[in-house]
Amino acid sequence: DIVMTQSPDSLAVSLGERATINCKSSQSVLYNSNNKNSLTWYQQKPGQPPKLLIYWASTRESGVPDRFSGSGSGTDFTLTISSLQAEDVAVYYCNQHYSFPLTFGQGTKVEVK
Amino acid sequence: EVHLLESGGGLVQPGGSLRLSCVASDFTFSSFAMNWVRQAPGKGLEWVSIISGSGDDTYYADSVKGRFTISRDNSKNTLYLQMNSLRAEDTALYYCAKGIEALAPGSRILDHWGQGTLVTVSS
Repeated sequence: DIVMTQSPDSLAVSLGERATINCKSSQSVLYNSNNKNSLTWYQQKPGQPPKLLIYWASTRESGVPDRFSGSGSGTDFTLTISSLQAEDVAVYYCNQHYSFPLTFGQGTKVEVK
Repeated sequence: EVHLLESGGGLVQPGGSLRLSCVASDFTFSSFAMNWVRQAPGKGLEWVSIISGSGDDTYYADSVKGRFTISRDNSKNTLYLQMNSLRAEDTALYYCAKGIEALAPGSRILDHWGQGTLVTVSS
């Protein structure tokens, strides 16, 4: 199984400041057929189901604010919130869909400092 | 707008069975793979299973293989998860989730999720 490891487990950021979450996979998730990384980011707010934010490592889902961006390749990936808003308080999960079983990182809790 | 509504959760004794359902609306259900993902109380996300749009292909997490069966009835726009030999560690909120595309690998990117149904395994 591909193990996904996120860092940090939690972070507190002031409103308007940048938040950065890292995700590392135990093996490359580069999908050869389309040369894209099979890495997805989900946001989960309290009491709600997860919401798709970013897929193929850097493609923003429709309707997701452009302050959210994804980057990285191979085994190392980053989710960046360029200017944290109060509504961004949530747990963020990375996920690989390169191979079964699909696996998630342990989650990173983002709070306002 | 895509809508997914899970049901069938509840309290069950260890070793017991439950069947979860997920009714889908406002998209061509038969064209998309569907997934089950679970979340134990206060814990992270765990993928459980996926089924292709036709129902011909299925995959499972090792933790549920041989005990859970995913299926679908495209005439009823409904996804199922038959859960047998339930254990305490199966206690979780179970979400159904739709793939963003009909075929792999996009079928494994989950763009719509239901609100979940809670399964509690306890004596």
